Amino acid sequence: AQKVTQAQTEISVVEKEDVTLDCVYETRDTTYYLFWYKQPPSGELVFLIRRNSFDEQNEISGRYSWNFQKSTSSFNFTITASQVVDSAVYFCALSEAMIQGGSEKLVFGKGTKLTVNP
Amino acid sequence: NAGVTQTPKFQVLKTGQSMTLQCAQDMNHNSMYWYRQDPGMGLRLIYYSASEGTTDKGEVPNGYNVSRLNKREFSLRLESAAPSQTSVYFCASRFLAGVTDTQYFGPGTRLTVL
Repeated sequence: AQKVTQAQTEISVVEKEDVTLDCVYETRDTTYYLFWYKQPPSGELVFLIRRNSFDEQNEISGRYSWNFQKSTSSFNFTITASQVVDSAVYFCALSEAMIQGGSEKLVFGKGTKLTVNP
Repeated sequence: NAGVTQTPKFQVLKTGQSMTLQCAQDMNHNSMYWYRQDPGMGLRLIYYSASEGTTDKGEVPNGYNVSRLNKREFSLRLESAAPSQTSVYFCASRFLAGVTDTQYFGPGTRLTVL
């Protein structure tokens, strides 16, 4: 069975600090996808990134970076120089690879609430 | 291009009442999903539809039914609402083909069952 664990329930930082959100996953699939979503206080869910299981390269997008390590089954998310607008709940999710006509279930972690204080 | 739309945005029901949550997407996505979000529980998959004409149970399907009416629409029905179904419901759609993976969530429906 697939499982995603976000051990940090809440994190509070001061603006300009760097912060890392942890995500640990479990799956028996050899091919899978990992995701991060952002849910700001307004409630909508915003897709941030997808990572394939066969691509362990780290990714950077502006102040956001992601560290994928298969050896530790982790897909951690770092925000550099955090800003108040980064305050949100962040979800990590896992999906098995789609087989033709097969399922594409997304399993979510319980989320980490990040508060960035001015 | 409206993305994923959900109706209604808010709903209050009495125990035992029925209702249908509507979801539509105009992006020609293959897969659609219904999730519920409860405090401290994250998002849990209720049902999903990998393609038009197919539906499958997710993690928490009891008390719900779904219909994939066509490629655009995926509705969620509560036949006899219970207080335990008080939650925020999100619909999502996803297009997955090769390296292309795009997905969007609707704005959510906040349901209260008294």
